[in-house]
Amino acid sequence: EIVLTQSPDFQSVTPKEKVTITCRASQSIGSSLHWYQQKPDQPPKVIIKYASQSISGVPSRFSGSGSGTDFTLTINSLEAEDAAAYYCHQSSSLPWTFGQGTKVEI
Amino acid sequence: QVQLQESGPGLVKPSETLSLTCTVSGGSISTYYWTWIRQAAGKGLEWIGHIYTSGSTFYNPSLKSRATLSIDTSKNQFSLKLTSLTAADTAVYFCAGFFLGSFDLWGPGTLLTVSS
Repeated sequence: EIVLTQSPDFQSVTPKEKVTITCRASQSIGSSLHWYQQKPDQPPKVIIKYASQSISGVPSRFSGSGSGTDFTLTINSLEAEDAAAYYCHQSSSLPWTFGQGTKVEI
Repeated sequence: QVQLQESGPGLVKPSETLSLTCTVSGGSISTYYWTWIRQAAGKGLEWIGHIYTSGSTFYNPSLKSRATLSIDTSKNQFSLKLTSLTAADTAVYFCAGFFLGSFDLWGPGTLLTVSS
């Protein structure tokens, strides 16, 4: 099973700050890495697909990069509504796995 | 717009079997891999398994064969059975649709509590 390790686990930030979350895979997964945002009492929502593909309707301040084993989610100019938990997920090989999550608090 | 809705008992006793159903509305049940994912309180996401409309399945080995997925295309529903429940199975259970690499569709989730 591929293990995904996110860092940091928790980040306290102020509005307009830039946030960077990393996700490291235990083996190469190409670009089969996706990012989700989960707000309290809601299901997750995909915000970046295949490491860097933007999703229609997701604000352009969210971007992703990376390939192989190291990936990054960047939130530029953070807004209050971005307070949430963020998870990475790999679809390179079964069983699909998730990172442990990063909680972003504003 | 395709929507998902989980339904289930809410409370189940230890050692019993859980049955959850996800109803797909607003679109066809074909195209997606239909998936169950769970999340214990304050914890991360755990993929349980998925089923395709053909009936083919794949399960997370961590569940040690306790999970069984089924699908009823005539009712636009798919289901999860989880046996030998313990307190460790207490979680919010989400049904989700997996398409082109990611989980694009999610139900709101249903809380399962395992307690006597």
